[in-house]
Amino acid sequence: GAVVSQHPSRVICKSGTSVKIECRSLDFQATTMFWYRQFPKQSLMLMATSNEGSKATYEQGVEKDKFLINHASLTLSTLTVTSAHPEDSSFYICSARAGGAGGPQHFGDGTRLSIL
Amino acid sequence: AQTVTQSQPEMSVQEAETVTLSCTYDTSENNYYLFWYKQPPSRQMILVIRQEAYKQQNATENRFSVNFQKAAKSFSLKISDSQLGDTAMYFCAFMKPNTGNQFYFGTGTSLTVIP
Repeated sequence: GAVVSQHPSRVICKSGTSVKIECRSLDFQATTMFWYRQFPKQSLMLMATSNEGSKATYEQGVEKDKFLINHASLTLSTLTVTSAHPEDSSFYICSARAGGAGGPQHFGDGTRLSIL
Repeated sequence: AQTVTQSQPEMSVQEAETVTLSCTYDTSENNYYLFWYKQPPSRQMILVIRQEAYKQQNATENRFSVNFQKAAKSFSLKISDSQLGDTAMYFCAFMKPNTGNQFYFGTGTSLTVIP
């Protein structure tokens, strides 16, 4: 089946640091990837849609300068949390869609980001 | 925007019993897809089952089946012969194709299987 790899799984860093999270589709090409944020015991909140070779589409209320997305190839999208602060601490999950119309999204294992 | 509602924040079921998780959605579209995802404590999102709106037949995957009522905009998940490994958060999701393929998730139902 389609596999999505997300790295790192856990990051702990100081306030003001920029953190990069990678999302890779291992056995399929993904022209579109998605980045979600999940607070404890809550649902996934879509942050942005990452499109290969073009700018990401951000959801309302998500700061594009804070959460930089790059989708330079058909198998890799990166999310960089710039100048992270404690309120950015959260669980971040990426997904990629395989197959044609109506295909399911396949999710990475997520990244637990903790900003001290 | 599409809305997906899961009215049961928490549920429990005895091992080997059957449980049904409810999901309703609001849309004016005729062609769309519905999914159930499972998120165990490991936090990985795992696809459980998928339903195409144009298909009248309910999808089944081993112990998992859905009751898809298009007119009522209802998409419930039935888990038969519940196992301890079924303990997880379950999210219902709606997708309208060809519009960025975005998923709209419900708020989730926390299911606990009791030994």
